[in-house]
Amino acid sequence: QLQLQESGPGLVKPSETLSLTCTVSGGSIDSHMYYWGWIRQPPGKGLEWIATIYYTGNTYYNPSLESRVTISVRTSRNLFSLRVNSVTAADTAMYYCARLNRMPGNRVGATEYWGQGMLVTVSS
Amino acid sequence: QSALTQPASVSGSPGQSITISCTGTSSDVGKYNLVSWYQQHPGKAPKLMIYEDNKRPSGISDRFSGSKSANTASLTISGLQTEDEADYYCCSYAGSNTYVLFGGGTKLTVL
Repeated sequence: QLQLQESGPGLVKPSETLSLTCTVSGGSIDSHMYYWGWIRQPPGKGLEWIATIYYTGNTYYNPSLESRVTISVRTSRNLFSLRVNSVTAADTAMYYCARLNRMPGNRVGATEYWGQGMLVTVSS
Repeated sequence: QSALTQPASVSGSPGQSITISCTGTSSDVGKYNLVSWYQQHPGKAPKLMIYEDNKRPSGISDRFSGSKSANTASLTISGLQTEDEADYYCCSYAGSNTYVLFGGGTKLTVL
């Protein structure tokens, strides 16, 4: 059974960089069938897609966050990571890592597997 | 690009059927057969209920069904049960610039 586990600091100061890692177990990250991505949810609010990566390193970003976000993958360690620069209180959220289906034409399909989520609070 | 539009809340009684709509545009919902629906209980990660507009993952009850007409997708839950009370989100592929859009979410109350 595939499992995804987020890890990283739960508290980040304003203007600093948020860094999270998602470790994948029970399956290989270098599959041509899937993308890997990050989705967040501010407290009491809805879901927001952040970024997606293919194991080859191809990246896809939410245009509204692209200038501050970097997603990367380490296939040798079966994990992928997220960095968000210059954080503010608006970046406070539950951050989920997830596996997304890769569809024909490099389109992004559904998200069948999610991590349990990690709450990141931006506060001084 | 704006999020997909869902009603903030819907309600129904046990045994009844409800439908949640998800309205996008001809660039996302209307263009691709890639709408998915997620159920989220408080404090839990979202759970995939419908993918590719109307397909159910293994293990999902056939009380859940998806459909689409033009730029609006719908999730129908029949034979409502108390455990169906949750937040529901739609999601669509939106092309090679925007990629992925979520709806704002709908809170389902089972009265």
